[in-house]
Amino acid sequence: QVQLVQSGAEVKKPGASVKVSCKASGYTFTGYYIHWVRQAPGQGLEWMGWINPNSGGTTFTQKYQGRVTMTRDTSISTVYMDLSSLESDDTAVYYCARGPATKGLDPWGQGTLVTVSS
Amino acid sequence: QSALTQPPSASGSPGQSVTISCTGSSSDVGGYSHVSWYQHHPGKAPKLIISEVSKRPSGVPDRFSGSKSGNTASLTVSGLQAEDEADYYCYSYAGSDNWVFGGGTKLTVL
Repeated sequence: QVQLVQSGAEVKKPGASVKVSCKASGYTFTGYYIHWVRQAPGQGLEWMGWINPNSGGTTFTQKYQGRVTMTRDTSISTVYMDLSSLESDDTAVYYCARGPATKGLDPWGQGTLVTVSS
Repeated sequence: QSALTQPPSASGSPGQSVTISCTGSSSDVGGYSHVSWYQHHPGKAPKLIISEVSKRPSGVPDRFSGSKSGNTASLTVSGLQAEDEADYYCYSYAGSDNWVFGGGTKLTVL
């Protein structure tokens, strides 16, 4: 079945970077965009951006410009989201989800908790 | 872009119907038919329940329905059941390859 499996929880210090992985299975990896969404404690879902696993092209919401990098390794059907210069406000659960978003994000990964604390 | 506007909370008794609104602008909800809805139980991954304004993915009960009028999209849950208690989010294309979520609505089944 179509599945996205994310890497495990991370604890980082302010100023550090975190790299979250999202491994796809059950479908043609290069055929579908992957979107990244985060949810801070007590907050709603927030769209961060997407990566086209075929071309490697990306788009991020302006809030994360300059701080986020999205890459992919087609040999292992995995995409990565790298967030730098972490602050406490970046403490959140980060989700990957398969597009195309025009037809709805489905399925979603299980989520990765990133905690930023000194 | 700013989050789409949803009521923070909604409620209904078992068997009743409830409608959750999602208001944006002509630059997002009103400008495209790319509105989807997600059900999110705390601690679990969000689940797609409505795509392209009103399409129900396979396996989603027909108690869930979606619609759109102007800049406002709506999700209706009919015949409320206890397991429908969750957070619900709308999601819309906002142009220039960008997307935006609503602020979320907590649905309580009384």
